[in-house]
Amino acid sequence: QSVLTQPPSASGTPGQRVTISCSGASSNIGGNTVNWYQQLPGTAPKLLISSNDHRPSGVPDRFSGSKSGTSASLAISGLQSEDEADYYCASWDDGLNGWVFGGGTKLTVL
Amino acid sequence: EVQLVESGGGAVQVGGSLRLSCVGSGFTFDDYTMHWVRQAPGKGLEWVSLINWDNDRIYYGDSVKGRFTISRDNSKNSLFLQMNSLRIEDTALYYCVKGYSSLTVDYFDFWGQGALVIVSS
Repeated sequence: QSVLTQPPSASGTPGQRVTISCSGASSNIGGNTVNWYQQLPGTAPKLLISSNDHRPSGVPDRFSGSKSGTSASLAISGLQSEDEADYYCASWDDGLNGWVFGGGTKLTVL
Repeated sequence: EVQLVESGGGAVQVGGSLRLSCVGSGFTFDDYTMHWVRQAPGKGLEWVSLINWDNDRIYYGDSVKGRFTISRDNSKNSLFLQMNSLRIEDTALYYCVKGYSSLTVDYFDFWGQGALVIVSS
């Protein structure tokens, strides 16, 4: 059972917009920033969104993040086949004194 | 180019020990907090431990506390994870991860390719 809650799966057709949610608590998302990681099949995770809504250099602007209260969301617009991957949210937890991840969302492009 | 290369993975029996190493290059190693994050086969990511640049701040996940020890040797750009009393559930790919943190931001910005640890009975 992960501390942060994500839907296990999401899907969309090319060109569509999909959103992945990440729910937490006041000890993690509520009081700290959220980061998102993309893990393509067979590869190491890669930073996708940092500090709730910041795109690192090289990440397409089709990816965007937001946070409200104890929840966060990752939105992918103009869905492409190469976006098929696992997506994880993460945040520092002040109660646990450690990082916590969501269980991951497997995105399928139909 | 930032590179993180793990080594030391392998197969070990329950109750055994293993020491993972990670060498970083392409960045000033002793400026950054380093982490270990693991991923069991077919499962999600689990944060294991962190150590800041001067060993002043060390934390562990609850599942490894008291069994694993993180350390670093900045003179050799190296990060280590000593794993004792290994359990079946410690079987995973262990990633060495570079952190980036400031007063307002904190995230993992680069990941190694991982070292596989298999614990069997």
